[in-house]
Parts: sequence; structure tokens; C-alpha cells
Amino acid sequence: DAGVTQSPTHLIKTRGQQVTLRCSPKSGHDTVSWYQQALGQGPQFIFQYYEEEERQRGNFPDRFSGHQFPNYSSELNVNALLLGDSALYLCASSLGYGGALDTQYFGPGTRLTVL
Amino acid sequence: GDSVTQMEGPVTLSEEAFLTINCTYTATGYPSLFWYVQYPGEGLQLLLKATKADDKGSNKGFEATYRKETTSFHLEKGSVQVSDSAVYFCAHPNNNDMRFGAGTRLTVKP
Repeated sequence: DAGVTQSPTHLIKTRGQQVTLRCSPKSGHDTVSWYQQALGQGPQFIFQYYEEEERQRGNFPDRFSGHQFPNYSSELNVNALLLGDSALYLCASSLGYGGALDTQYFGPGTRLTVL
Repeated sequence: GDSVTQMEGPVTLSEEAFLTINCTYTATGYPSLFWYVQYPGEGLQLLLKATKADDKGSNKGFEATYRKETTSFHLEKGSVQVSDSAVYFCAHPNNNDMRFGAGTRLTVKP
């Protein structure tokens, strides 16, 4: 049973560019959350998708957007990249909106570097 | 607002030493508390949890007790191994997302 998978593993972009990160949830999970983990910091919640809609959002600008597909996979899009967007982006999946967070599984992350 | 505060790292110990990583929280009510571990190059894994005051979570030799009176959830292990080298995060739920501390990097030397 595959866990949460993310692609790509690493990515290098320049300021002003746009990036798309992808996540496939653990089999049987229907809720996907995205986190940003800056170097030396804990993960910060970006947003959560359930039933193809954004259900909850953290304190991130509109440059950060997402999508969830009918197969529950998800994309994170970041426009107009800034140097400060360099971070490890983690995807986490769980079952059901509002479900127990201890059933949340994390992927290995995508390391984004903005030059 | 809700937050989690962890002791700053890095922490370097010799194998078989005793480990304590402090964690305190501020939150509305008494949320469940979690410890996650992040091994090099990997995502976060749930290490242990406690759902109410005085609960003790335990896993892989690690323990943490939910102390309501001190709003703390310190992580302990009696004898660390080299394989325990990782970053440890204390966390609690905030609505439908998880609120994490900044993490404490542990290095265990043989």
C-alpha cells in the first residue's frame, strides 16, 4: 500500500516564476492538506482540500492556490515566486473532513528553491 | 493565539544517554497533543500522542505525559540510540490542521 507520494522531489525556480507541486494521498484517504516547512522551522498550514474544494486556509497570500481532483490527488500552485517561498512543501492526507488528525499521513515533501 | 513552544536545539547526546525535549503549549481548552519525528530526507511520522490530561503516550521507547497544570508535553527516552537521530516536533490540532513547534534536532553519537 503506497503512502503519500509527492512530486517532484526537488525543484529550482527563479523569482517571479510559477510552480506546481503534486500530491497523491494514501490509498483510501480523501482529504489533502498542504504545509510549508521553512528551513529550521516547523510546518505551517497552507490549506486543506476535501471533496474538491478548499475547506480551510492558513495565513498565506492568494499567490498560493490549490486544486483537488476527483481521484483525491492534489496540486499546490504558487505564483510570482519570492525568495522567501523557498521551503520544503509537505502534503498530508487523511480520511474525512474534520477527521482525527492522528490519522494524518505525511509525504516526503518537495524541496523548492527560489533563486 | 494557539501555539507550541519547544526547547531549542540542536541536542547532541551519546548513545544510551537520557533524553528530554521540552514542549509547552497555549490553546483554547485541552487539545490532544502529539509528537512527530522527521528522519533525514523523509516526511513527518506520528511518534506518539495523548488525548487528555494525565494521559501518557508511548512508542519505540519514547514517552510523554500530558500535564494540564503546566501545559506541557515533554518527550523522554531513557536510552537513546544512533538511529533516534532526527528532528522532533511537538504539535496540537487547531481546527482541522495541526499546529507545530519549531522542531528540535537530535543527534546521537556512538
